[in-house]
Amino acid sequence: DQQVKQNSPSLSVQEGRISILNCDYTNSMFDYFLWYKKYPAEGPTFLISISSIKDKNEDGRFTVFLNKSAKHLSLHIVPSQPGDSAVYFCAASDGGGKLIFGQGTELSVKP
Amino acid sequence: KAGVTQTPRYLIKTRGQQVTLSCSPISGHRSVSWYQQTPGQGLQFLFEYFSETQRNKGNFPGRFSGRQFSNSRSEMNVSTLELGDSALYLCASSLETIRNTGELFFGEGSRLTVL
Repeated sequence: DQQVKQNSPSLSVQEGRISILNCDYTNSMFDYFLWYKKYPAEGPTFLISISSIKDKNEDGRFTVFLNKSAKHLSLHIVPSQPGDSAVYFCAASDGGGKLIFGQGTELSVKP
Repeated sequence: KAGVTQTPRYLIKTRGQQVTLSCSPISGHRSVSWYQQTPGQGLQFLFEYFSETQRNKGNFPGRFSGRQFSNSRSEMNVSTLELGDSALYLCASSLETIRNTGELFFGEGSRLTVL
């Protein structure tokens, strides 16, 4: 039972354009959501997070949107840069001490 | 500040063998979690330790076990290895459990191949 789903395994965008990565979840007990970025041969690194009491959180070029009624969150990267090419994982927490991750979306930003 | 250190980085085992992976968390971090990454499955939670106690456990068979020492270092063990255990095993540490929603700091992982 996949509680956190990233339905797009890959995404390709042009440098300078917007990248939108999507994530859906099923468990209404999740109250905190995070995005991690992973380069090959490295561990995931924390990117940005959002609490369920908010619907938007912004950090530089990265913005996460949360739609609780739809159980959907998205990560926007504007403008996209070649160095953003990586696998992006969304994750959710119910405060219970573990993160539930999606399957990941591989973003490729082409110059 | 040193990051999360995992050893070994790569290892090859055969079916039926057992393996032990080690993780040294960031200094001062008391929570250590383990995740398994396989293609198409994302990161799946194995277990979390805090102050030498297992606080959470994922849906993995009993062949997967772990422990945490008084210095917060952690080990995980997989016994009777199966081909499907081939994966990247990631360790992550945090100051507290994610109850306070602090983010995790991951190591580079231990790549296990079972032949």
